[in-house]
Amino acid sequence: DQQVKQNSPSLSVQEGRISILNCDYTNSMFDYFLWYKKYPAEGPTFLISISSIKDKNEDGRFTVFLNKSAKHLSLHIVPSQPGDSAVYFCAASPLSIIQGAQKLVFGQGTRLTINP
Amino acid sequence: DGGITQSPKYLFRKEGQNVTLSCEQNLNHDAMYWYRQDPGQGLRLIYYSQIVNDFQKGDIAEGYSVSREKKESFPLTVTSAQKNPTAFYLCASSPGTGTYSNQPQHFGDGTRLSIL
Repeated sequence: DQQVKQNSPSLSVQEGRISILNCDYTNSMFDYFLWYKKYPAEGPTFLISISSIKDKNEDGRFTVFLNKSAKHLSLHIVPSQPGDSAVYFCAASPLSIIQGAQKLVFGQGTRLTINP
Repeated sequence: DGGITQSPKYLFRKEGQNVTLSCEQNLNHDAMYWYRQDPGQGLRLIYYSQIVNDFQKGDIAEGYSVSREKKESFPLTVTSAQKNPTAFYLCASSPGTGTYSNQPQHFGDGTRLSIL
């Protein structure tokens, strides 16, 4: 049972345009969501996060939107640049200030290719 | 520079052998994690540790063991009981307890384990 799903294995976008990556989740206990970027043979790099008390969080070219009623989040990258070509993972966790460790659940990833 | 160091980058194992993957962090983080990534899939949690001398099973702990004798170190042993050990293994850490529990996990660059 996949609790976090990224239904698009790949996405191709022209340089300068907007890239939109989508993620759906099923567990209503999730209230902390993150996006990571990963290059081949490297570890994931944290991009941006959002907690369930917000519906939008912005950091430079990256914006994450959260729709709790639809259990859906998306990552917008604008404008897209060639260096954005990578695999993007969304992840989710219950937010707890009591339990120290986060039990993140990851989606399968979406490979983003930015074409010049 | 603070970060997470995983070694070796590539590891080969013969059938029936145990192997240990190293993970060291100098970020002064309380919580540490081990994930496994298979091709086309997301990261799956093997074990995590909230604090020294404590660790918990993740979603796919069978065939693996860990120890947490020092805050900086969280080695993972892949035992001969793990029937399909070929994968990319990633170690991560996060600040952990209290109000820092919603800080993102930072990842090492991984170890690729292959069976000869």
